[in-house]
Amino acid sequence: ETGVTQSPTHLIKTRGQQVTLRCSSQSGHNTVSWYQQALGQGPQFIFQYYREEENGRGNFPPRFSGLQFPNYSSELNVNALELDDSALYLCASSLSGNYGYTFGSGTRLTVV
Amino acid sequence: KQEVTQIPAALSVPEGENLVLNCSFTDSAIYNLQWFRQDPGKGLTSLLLIQSSQREQTSGRLNASLDKSSGRSTLYIAASQPGDSATYLCAFQGAQKLVFGQGTRLTINP
Repeated sequence: ETGVTQSPTHLIKTRGQQVTLRCSSQSGHNTVSWYQQALGQGPQFIFQYYREEENGRGNFPPRFSGLQFPNYSSELNVNALELDDSALYLCASSLSGNYGYTFGSGTRLTVV
Repeated sequence: KQEVTQIPAALSVPEGENLVLNCSFTDSAIYNLQWFRQDPGKGLTSLLLIQSSQREQTSGRLNASLDKSSGRSTLYIAASQPGDSATYLCAFQGAQKLVFGQGTRLTINP
């Protein structure tokens, strides 16, 4: 079975720009969630999608938005980038229920 | 507020030692608890998943326990090796999300 794949692996953007990060879920998983990990910190929950609907959101502003597609892949969009958005963005997929999460390798976003 | 605390923040030991990493959480109504490994600049690799009805899980040299009543989990690593050097994160699953600790940075010295 294929794992979770994320693209791109690295990205450099200028403050104020917009960015789209992509994630392909592990085969058989129907739920995808996104996390932001600042250097030296644990990952922080951004939001989760199930059946193409957002069904949970962390303490992130509306300029962080997402999509889930019928094949369970997902996008994370961030508008009006700020320097503090520089972080490792992690995508995780799961099967709804108590089956644990599988993470991708992440996208390293640098905002300059 | 749901919180996870990991102690110690960093640990350096010689190769071959057995060691214990600690994780405590504030919410007893967890669905499950998961331990991850993270190498520098990389994603998370799942090590062990303990579902809420279970008390422990084992995989090779790793053993994790869960005590929901006290809000604690421990990860035991036997016969540590230099390749075990990484950051270890614990996370409990609440409603629709994982809540992570800040991790324990482990260094195994040859």
